[in-house]
Amino acid sequence: QVQLVQSGAEVKRPGASVRVSCKASGYTFTSYGITWVRQAPGQGLEWVGWISGYNGNTKYAQMLQGRVTMTTDTSTSTANMELRNLRSDDTAVYYCARETSCCPEAFDIWGQGTMITVSS
Amino acid sequence: QSVLTQPPSASGTPGQTVTISCSGSNSNIGRDAANWYQQVSGTAPKLIIYRNAQRPSGVPDRFSGSKSGTSASLAINGLQSEDEADYYCATWDDSLDGHYVFGTGTKVTVL
Repeated sequence: QVQLVQSGAEVKRPGASVRVSCKASGYTFTSYGITWVRQAPGQGLEWVGWISGYNGNTKYAQMLQGRVTMTTDTSTSTANMELRNLRSDDTAVYYCARETSCCPEAFDIWGQGTMITVSS
Repeated sequence: QSVLTQPPSASGTPGQTVTISCSGSNSNIGRDAANWYQQVSGTAPKLIIYRNAQRPSGVPDRFSGSKSGTSASLAINGLQSEDEADYYCATWDDSLDGHYVFGTGTKVTVL
């Protein structure tokens, strides 16, 4: 079945970097974009950025520009998100999600989420 | 700070209808389709409405969506206990070189 499986939870110190992976299966990886969304404890959903599965084009949330990089590895059908210079307010569950087949503005397949904790 | 405004909470008894509003602007809902996500506590969001009013396969038909101008709405008809969750509207916004925006979220409680 179509699914996205994310890497496990991590605890990082302020100023460190973290990389979250999102492995896709059950569909043609290069036919769909992947978006990343985060949710701080007790808060709402916040868009982090998007990457094309076809050509690797990216779009990032302005507030994270310069600290976030998204990549894809088509040989393993995996999308990656790296966040650098971590701060305490980056503590959140990070989700990857796939575009729907018809409509790039909606995301119908979600990963299970990865908890990233930033603490000294 | 979200540019899509939703009421923080809504509630109803089983069988009732609950409606959630999502207020945006000409740079987001006014120009692109509204989508709705349901998030049960501790789980990943689930798409329940896309393209303003379309339901993905498997989503019960008691969920319906609509859009008018710069606002969208989600209705839950015949509320059930399993509908208790947080609901978010979302779409692309073409300001700031384009970015995706989520609504502030609405907690639906089944009394």
